[in-house]
Amino acid sequence: SAVISQKPSRDICQRGTSLTIQCQVDSQVTMMFWYRQQPGQSLTLIATANQGSEATYESGFVIDKFPISRPNLTFSTLTVSNMSPEDSSIYLCSVEEGQSYNEQFFGPGTRLTVL
Amino acid sequence: DAKTTQPNSMESNEEEPVHLPCNHSTISGTDYIHWYRQLPSQGPEYVIHGLTSNVNNRMASLAIAEDRKSSTLILHRATLRDAAVYYCIPTSSNTGKLIFGQGTTLQVKP
Repeated sequence: SAVISQKPSRDICQRGTSLTIQCQVDSQVTMMFWYRQQPGQSLTLIATANQGSEATYESGFVIDKFPISRPNLTFSTLTVSNMSPEDSSIYLCSVEEGQSYNEQFFGPGTRLTVL
Repeated sequence: DAKTTQPNSMESNEEEPVHLPCNHSTISGTDYIHWYRQLPSQGPEYVIHGLTSNVNNRMASLAIAEDRKSSTLILHRATLRDAAVYYCIPTSSNTGKLIFGQGTTLQVKP
């Protein structure tokens, strides 16, 4: 199974600033996803990170606010731009190793607090 | 995306079986039924998935209704470590995206 690391594990940021979260996988994977989990809530899919092309965003999420990069099959970044306290959440990446949509592996998450 | 209905919470005693129900009456004919769980302060982890037939693995069993409008996750002997939020997720075979509902919070009592 894929092993996923995220950096930073947590951060406290000021409103109006931006934070870039990194997701590193120990093997090449076909699919990478980014999720947000607001306090006390379930997970919400932000976007699918596509290797070599623009990410595919879910309804309610836009590229200007959450730009995503995926330069290769093992790495992706999510930037939370122009942050407000409402962006305080845990941000998680997940990966799918094959194309059979059987099992996704999740990273440990990045806990973001915006003051 | 198919809607799911799960109990908000359930309780079980340690070493007893647990049956976690899920209603997914709007599921598409090609959607898989995935179950994930999220332990406290961790990311979700895969439990099991199936399409039409009942499935067993080392963690759990999945019983799927014949009309596929509901399913039940079965933990054969609950342990304290099984206390988590359990999510039932119909998953498109085209995209693989996981759309999480609110899930069921399982408490396991010693």
